[in-house]
Amino acid sequence: DVKVTQSSRYLVKRTGEKVFLECVQDMDHENMFWYRQDPGLGLRLIYFSYDVKMKEKGDIPEGYSVSREKKERFSLILESASTNQTSMYLCASSAPTGASYEQYFGPGTRLTVT
Amino acid sequence: QKEVEQDPGPLSVPEGAIVSLNCTYSNSAFQYFMWYRQYSRKGPELLMYTYSSGNKEDGRFTAQVDKSSKYISLFIRDSQPSDSATYLCAMTHTGRRALTFGSGTRLQVQP
Repeated sequence: DVKVTQSSRYLVKRTGEKVFLECVQDMDHENMFWYRQDPGLGLRLIYFSYDVKMKEKGDIPEGYSVSREKKERFSLILESASTNQTSMYLCASSAPTGASYEQYFGPGTRLTVT
Repeated sequence: QKEVEQDPGPLSVPEGAIVSLNCTYSNSAFQYFMWYRQYSRKGPELLMYTYSSGNKEDGRFTAQVDKSSKYISLFIRDSQPSDSATYLCAMTHTGRRALTFGSGTRLQVQP
């Protein structure tokens, strides 16, 4: 079974703090993704990575950065957390097929910024 | 306007009912259409996938795609309380690694 794990289920941080969210997958997948999920807005893509050290911006990259130093690990970084970044963050991975429709998701990290 | 529109619900039905969930989209390049199911406090899981137009059946679930109308549906027959979850449509096209998701429809099946 594919397993995608995220470092924390719940996180509370203060405005201005630097926040690291970690994601690890165990299926040797090339593609990894970070989404945020908000009520009424669904899943919105922040960044994705298709190889080690490679990344592409998604639909809402502002205020975020990412790091992929190893194939199995993809980190999301909030450089200076703000209250509008309070959200559920979901990590996913997929194999490099022609259309990576089957994404495997982690359980999510609910981040609250106060 | 969002690329993918989905009624957020909530949708409440009695056990045994037929459920219809729908999405509309605007990007005619989309070729792959998925339905993900998300239980409370869990990540989404792929439920069904359809390529291009047509129907696909898997047990109690049927996915339909009408590319001419840019409309996709998921039907659940003989719905069960265990089907209570949020259902998200998603779509993409060849060469694109990322998916575009609808906002999700919350379904509650009452015993």
